[in-house]
Formats: sequence, structure tokens, C-alpha cells
Amino acid sequence: AQSVTQPDIHITVSEGASLELRCNYSYGATPYLFWYVQSPGQGLQLLLKYFSGDTLVQGIKGFEAEFKRSQSSFNLRKPSVHWSDAAEYFCAVNGGATNKLIFGTGTLLAVQP
Amino acid sequence: DAGVIQSPRHEVTEMGQEVTLRCKPISGHDYLFWYRQTMMRGLELLIYFNNNVPIDDSGMPEDRFSAKMPNASFSTLKIQPSEPRDSAVYFCASSTGRTYNSPLHFGNGTRLTVT
Repeated sequence: AQSVTQPDIHITVSEGASLELRCNYSYGATPYLFWYVQSPGQGLQLLLKYFSGDTLVQGIKGFEAEFKRSQSSFNLRKPSVHWSDAAEYFCAVNGGATNKLIFGTGTLLAVQP
Repeated sequence: DAGVIQSPRHEVTEMGQEVTLRCKPISGHDYLFWYRQTMMRGLELLIYFNNNVPIDDSGMPEDRFSAKMPNASFSTLKIQPSEPRDSAVYFCASSTGRTYNSPLHFGNGTRLTVT
């Protein structure tokens, strides 16, 4: 069965610092991978997605993620964090056979001034 | 586009009462999903529809939960009778195609509290 693990429940970074949020997936073939962001009181918004091709994908708000098959990872990065990036971030996977998008438990990002 | 619209934003009810959550998907989206978010279980897919037809309801926790989509612009999720363990944020999302080739657009959710 497909699954997603986000090992970091909570991360705090200083504004302007770089950010990397970890995501590991479990699936037998190449999965479809997504990162979503949820601001307080809001629904989830898609940041970026990977289906195939270039393993480094660019998303909105200056985020990028790299698919590494050998490590079963799809980590999210941003070179310089802004205070407005404080939110909860969810990694998600779909094996393609169904419409069941499986979400990780989320990483809550706090940004210090 | 107004996005996915959910109502109400907040619902507080007593145990045993019927609760109805509502969702208007984005026009032209033919997939609609209901998710539940809790601290303990995270985001769980409850049910999804394609062209108003329920495709997979295996995530619906029990018979107290039911969902309908009478037309392309409206869906309801009903809990009868409600229980305190149903307290959660319920999200509706829509998309233009199968999840793996089109993103989900989420509403702002309904926060349900059952006392």
C-alpha cells in the first residue's frame, strides 16, 4: 500500500534562512507526488507536483522539490523563507491506479523574525 | 472563479443531532472529494464522486455518514446521528480529472464540533 511519511512535525526557521521539509513515500512504482500548503483556517493549496521527467520541479511562491527515487524522497525546499511562509505543509502521493490521494501528517512551519 | 465554497464554516451541535455540510465545487470540475482532518488521523478521504456518481465510499467511517451529489454544482455530507468523535474539519475539494493528473482545489472547510 502506498504511504507518506513526514518525519518532522514542527520546524522553526529564521526569516531569510533556507528551508527543507522532508517527505518519504512508499510505493512500488513511480508515484505521483504533491506538496500542498495550508494556512490557518484555510483549505489546502497546491504548491507543486511531480509526475515524470525532470526530477527537480518548481512550484509557486519560490518553492521547489526534488524527487529522488533511490531514497524514496520528495523533499521541499526554499532558499530564503519569508514570514508569510508560516503554515502547515503536506506531502501527498497517488499511485495512479485510484483517485485516493494519500496525505502525510504534515509539518508545521514557524518563521522567526 | 470563486473557488470551492463550503458552508457553514463552523457548526456546533449536540450529540445525536443531524448535521449537514454543504459544498459547491468549481464550475466545470467533474470530480468532487470529501476529506476529514483531525489531529489524530490527519487528512482522510471519505468519499469521491465523478460526474455526480459516487465512485469510492470506502473511507466513510460508518453508516451514520452519507453523501450525495444531486447535480454538478452541489454536494452534501450528512451525519445522523452525530457523535463527539465526529468533531473534525471537513473539507470538500474538486478537480478536473483523476487525482494524479490534476490538482485538487480545496474549500476552506467546515469545523464541526459535537458536544
